[in-house]
Parts: sequence; C-alpha cells; structure tokens
Amino acid sequence: DIQMTQSPSSVSASVGDRVTITCRATQGITNWLAWYQQKPGKVPKLLIYAASSLQSGVPSRFSGSGSGTDFTLTINSLQPEDFATYYCQQADSFPLTFGGGTKVEIK
Amino acid sequence: EVQVLESGGGLVQPGGSLRLSCAASGFTFSSYAMSWVRQAPGKGLEWVSAISGSGSTYYADSVKGRFTISRDNSKNTLSLLMNSLRAEDTALYYCAKDSSGMGNYFTWFDYWGQGALVTVSS
Repeated sequence: DIQMTQSPSSVSASVGDRVTITCRATQGITNWLAWYQQKPGKVPKLLIYAASSLQSGVPSRFSGSGSGTDFTLTINSLQPEDFATYYCQQADSFPLTFGGGTKVEIK
Repeated sequence: EVQVLESGGGLVQPGGSLRLSCAASGFTFSSYAMSWVRQAPGKGLEWVSAISGSGSTYYADSVKGRFTISRDNSKNTLSLLMNSLRAEDTALYYCAKDSSGMGNYFTWFDYWGQGALVTVSS
C-alpha cells in the first residue's frame, strides 16, 4: 500500500501569509495526486488534481506542484476563508489513500 | 446540477449490519466510478470502497470480507452493505463521485454527499 505523509500536521498563519504544505508518498505515483480542503462540519472540496491542475472555481491563490513522491500545496496570500484542514490523496493504485491532514489555523 | 445524497445511517450494535444508499443525479451515473469514504469523529479521511461504472469492486483491507459495494445504474443508486460491524467502523460515510468520466478509471472525487453517520455501539 502507498502511504501518504503530510507535513506539518498543523500550521499557524496570518491573513496574507504564504502557506506551504507537503505530501510525500512511499513510492512514486507520477502525478496521481489530489488536494482537498475541509472546513469544520463541511464536506471535503477538491482543490487540485493531477498534482498541479486547479479545479474549476477554486481561487488562483491555490497551487500544486510535484511529481513522483514529493508534492506541495501552496496557498498564496492566505484569506480568512482558507482556515481549514487540507488533505492529499493518491490515485495511483488501490487502496486509494489520504494523507493525515494539515490544519491551517489563525495565528 | 450534480447531487449525491446518502441515506441509511444509524445506530447498530457490534456484529450487526447496516446498508447505506446513495442517490445520484445530474450526471450520467453509469459513466463514473463511485466510492465510499469515511471519517471517524475528529479524524481524517479514509477511503473504504470503490466500484467502476461496469461494476468492478475494490475494498480497503479494513473492510474486506465485511462490506459489499454495489450499484444499480438503472436507478442511479450506489449501496454499501456493512456486515459484522465493529466499534472502529463508527464514522461519517461519504458517497463520492469520481471526476473521470471514463467509468473504469479511478482518480479523485469532485462531488461528495453530506454523509451518513454510522454509530456502532452497544
């Protein structure tokens, strides 16, 4: 099974900051990676797919990069509505697996 | 408008059974793989099971042999039959639509239902 490790598990940031979250796979997954945002009590929302493609309707301050085993989600100019938990997910092979999540908190 | 709506959650005793259903609308259901993803209280996301448009099935090791995923393309419905339930199966179960329109491809999830809460407790 492919394990997905996210870091950090939580980050405190201020409005306007740039936040970077990393996700590492235990084996190469080319670009079969997605990022989701989940706010408390809400459904996960797809942000980025195929490692770097922005889902329709998602603000351009979100970006993804990486391939193989190392991936990054960057949020430029953090906005109040961006405080949430972020998950990566690999779709290279079954079982599909998610990272443990990164909580972005208000500093 | 794409919609997926779960039903069937509830309280069940350990060792019991429960069936979740997901009603889909707003897309050509048979063209998309579907999955169940769960989230235990206060925890992260865990993929549970997937089914291709044509009916090929896949399971997480934690539920293999106990859960059965199925779909009825004529009724646009997805189901999850859960047997031999354990306390650790307690979670919010999401029905999730795959983003790929190629029914036998499994990628990421672009639409999620609101979830069905399953509580396993005596």
